[in-house]
Amino acid sequence: ETGVTQTPRHLVMGMTNKKSLKCEQHLGHNAMYWYKQSAKKPLELMFVYNFKEQTENNSVPSRFSPECPNSSHLFLHLHTLQPEDSALYLCASSPSTESYGYTFGSGTRLTVV
Amino acid sequence: GENVEQHPSTLSVQEGDSAVIKCTYSDSASNYFPWYKQELGKRPQLIIDIRSNVGEKKDQRIAVTLNKTAKHFSLHITETQPEDSAVYFCAASRNSGYALNFGKGTSLLVTP
Repeated sequence: ETGVTQTPRHLVMGMTNKKSLKCEQHLGHNAMYWYKQSAKKPLELMFVYNFKEQTENNSVPSRFSPECPNSSHLFLHLHTLQPEDSALYLCASSPSTESYGYTFGSGTRLTVV
Repeated sequence: GENVEQHPSTLSVQEGDSAVIKCTYSDSASNYFPWYKQELGKRPQLIIDIRSNVGEKKDQRIAVTLNKTAKHFSLHITETQPEDSAVYFCAASRNSGYALNFGKGTSLLVTP
C-alpha cells in the first residue's frame, strides 16, 4: 500500500446517476490532484488542491465537481456524465505543489453507460 | 500551457537490449522532468527524475538525459528484462506551484 487509497476501484453508472469518487492519503501531504487517464491520451490534469484550496481547474466540465474537506481527503462528484467520460480516474498527492514526488492511487475505473 | 510530446508510442525490444524513449516539451520555464512506470492494472510509479541543473542522472539500469537548449529529455533502459514491460510516461513542470504535464506514454514490451 503506497498510502494513497481510492474507492471504489470500479464504477459503472448511468448517464443520469450521481456518484462520488473518494481519495484518501496517509502520507501527510498537502497537495492532491485528480487526473483522467483515457486510452492513447496523456494523463489529463483535472484539478489541483494545495492546503485544501483549489489552485487549478483545467477547464473541466461542470458535471465533474471536486471537494477537498481537508488535506487528507479528496472527492470527485459526478453527475449527468457522458459515455466519453469513461476512463481511469487517478488521484495523486505530493508534499505540496512546490515540491514533487507524486504518489498515485490505484485509480477508479469508471464506465458510463 | 506546457505541451509534452512522447515517442515512440510502442516499443518492442529483445531481452538484454537497450530501450530509449524520447520526450520534448514546449515551456522553456519547465525545470523538473520525472518518468513514471505503469504496469498493467497498476498505478503509475516514479522511477527516476531530473532537474534542469543537471544533464544526466543514472540509477542502475535506468538513466535520463536532458537537453535544455533543445527542450528534450530521454529515458534509457539498459539490459532490459521482461519485468521492464510496462507503459512509461514522461512529464514536465515548472518550478513551484505548477502540476505535472504528462506525455501520452510509451508501451514497452521486452520479449525473452
